[in-house]
Amino acid sequence: EAQVTQNPRYLITVTGKKLTVTCSQNMNHEYMSWYRQDPGLGLRQIYYSMNVEVTDKGDVPEGYKVSRKEKRNFPLILESPSPNQTSLYFCASSLRPPSYNEQFFGPGTRLTVL
Amino acid sequence: GENVEQHPSTLSVQEGDSAVIKCTYSDSASNYFPWYKQELGKRPQLIIDIRSNVGEKKDQRIAVTLNKTAKHFSLHITETQPEDSAVYFCAASPPNSNSGYALNFGKGTSLLVTP
Repeated sequence: EAQVTQNPRYLITVTGKKLTVTCSQNMNHEYMSWYRQDPGLGLRQIYYSMNVEVTDKGDVPEGYKVSRKEKRNFPLILESPSPNQTSLYFCASSLRPPSYNEQFFGPGTRLTVL
Repeated sequence: GENVEQHPSTLSVQEGDSAVIKCTYSDSASNYFPWYKQELGKRPQLIIDIRSNVGEKKDQRIAVTLNKTAKHFSLHITETQPEDSAVYFCAASPPNSNSGYALNFGKGTSLLVTP
């Protein structure tokens, strides 16, 4: 089944404790991105990747890192999480950039930073 | 960069009525306008999209219209049903390689269809 998966789905952590949220897609998509969703703010892009080893900042990249060593995986890294990073995070992928192809979203990761 | 405004933020309609959600965008170069539906606790899913060379697109009870001159586009849902209750997001994408051809989302409209 074609899908985007994320792990973990729920995470409660404390300020400063490094964490990684994994994202994987099995559709051979070139384009992947991370969004955060906050009430009243919609979906905001954190980072995106046009292909392997090609990543760039979105609208709200501060406090996050990403890597794209393999085509299928696009992990989101929070080196030192802070409470303002408490949010719902979505990974998404598309064959090419989302202005050309449908973007598929993962199930989401709800992160709470205490 | 692109700025997308979406109205209303909440909308309540009776089952069977129509619902209209409107979005405006700022970058006249934007050429792709998708609409996503997000049910409670679920991921956003594409329901319909339109490109700038088309003025209207329809898929069963859902239609989208685009006015490039006024830089606004709208989602129309006819004969609404309770299962249409969800948050709807519009988005616009300028053909800008510097931004990764990113989608810029509106803040969402929470639609409630009451029986």
